[in-house]
Amino acid sequence: DGGITQSPKYLFRKEGQNVTLSCEQNLNHDAMYWYRQDPGQGLRLIYYSQIVNDFQKGDIAEGYSVSREKKESFPLTVTSAQKNPTAFYLCASKDRGWITEAFFGQGTRLTVV
Amino acid sequence: DQQVKQNSPSLSVQEGRISILNCDYTNSMFDYFLWYKKYPAEGPTFLISISSIKDKNEDGRFTVFLNKSAKHLSLHIVPSQPGDSAVYFCAASAIGAGSYQLTFGKGTKLSVIP
Repeated sequence: DGGITQSPKYLFRKEGQNVTLSCEQNLNHDAMYWYRQDPGQGLRLIYYSQIVNDFQKGDIAEGYSVSREKKESFPLTVTSAQKNPTAFYLCASKDRGWITEAFFGQGTRLTVV
Repeated sequence: DQQVKQNSPSLSVQEGRISILNCDYTNSMFDYFLWYKKYPAEGPTFLISISSIKDKNEDGRFTVFLNKSAKHLSLHIVPSQPGDSAVYFCAASAIGAGSYQLTFGKGTKLSVIP
């Protein structure tokens, strides 16, 4: 059963700590993305990767880091430099090509206290 | 600068009537457009798409219309059902080096009233 899995669904961290959000896909998609959703802000792109060992900054990359060592995995680290880390984080993957849709995971709700 | 705009944050419609959700874009390079539906605390799910070579695409109760000259697209849901109540996001992409990137609007919250 193909899909994209984010874990955990809920995550709590103390301010000043780094935290890594997991994203795994078994759809054999080349591209993977991280978005952040805040109330009234829609989906804003943090980072994306079109191929293994390569990734690009999105619109709001400051305070985040990623890696793409395997095609299936695209973990996101929220660092202590991110000023407002509390948000709903969404991972997505997309097949190569122009006319294809992105598939999303169920999201991780990160709360920093 | 917002390249994909959904100017109505919310919309209420009676069950059985038509829901029309609108989306405008500014980047003339966009040539593929998608609609996603999202429930709270869940990931968005793909609904329907349209490429710039078409002006209409239908899938059951859902129809998307594209007006390239006006840089406008709309999603029609008819008849609307209570289960359609969700946030709907419009997204766009452009062919070329950036073709893997989707740009989203801020969403429109649809409430279908029984």
